[in-house]
Amino acid sequence: ETGVTQSPTHLIKTRGQQVTLRCSSQSGHNTVSWYQQALGQGPQFIFQYYREEENGRGNFPPRFSGLQFPNYSSELNVNALELDDSALYLCASTPGLAGAGEQFFGPGTRLTVL
Amino acid sequence: AQSVSQHNHHVILSEAASLELGCNYSYGGTVNLFWYVQYPGQHLQLLLKYFSGDPLVKGIKGFEAEFIKSKFSFNLRKPSVQWSDTAEYFCAVRVNQAGTALIFGKGTTLSVSS
Repeated sequence: ETGVTQSPTHLIKTRGQQVTLRCSSQSGHNTVSWYQQALGQGPQFIFQYYREEENGRGNFPPRFSGLQFPNYSSELNVNALELDDSALYLCASTPGLAGAGEQFFGPGTRLTVL
Repeated sequence: AQSVSQHNHHVILSEAASLELGCNYSYGGTVNLFWYVQYPGQHLQLLLKYFSGDPLVKGIKGFEAEFIKSKFSFNLRKPSVQWSDTAEYFCAVRVNQAGTALIFGKGTTLSVSS
């Protein structure tokens, strides 16, 4: 069984640029959530996708957007990058929407904004 | 807004010492509770979870946690730590019927010396 994978591992961008991060969910999981983990902080929920629809969003501005594809993989897009967007971005998948299952996390993408 | 507080930012112990990491949450309704661990260079992994029933839950690697509803607490314990327990520990809460989004604490770094 393949776990959650994310690409790229590391990324360096400059202020104002746009970035796309990718996530492949664990086999059989149809729900994907994205989290931002700033240095020294716990992960913060960005949004969740279920069957290609956004289903829940945290306190992040609209320049954070996402997609989920028919194979349940997902993208996180961030426009107009700011210095404070520098963080580890985590993707997590679960086998259901509001089920009791745990979330399975990927290794993350480290984004640095200069 | 719901929040999770972890009382200890950095805990330093010798091998064989007992461990207790505090976690409190602010939400008056039904919650699911989790402890995740992040070993150096690895992704977040689930240690244990509580949904209902016996408030004392046992997880992997000898960890356990007790849910005390009256205190809004879910403290993590281990009777005797090992050097390999050196990691960052995160307490997380899922507010029931709100999808699978988790609210994380800021984390506690545990350093165990041999």
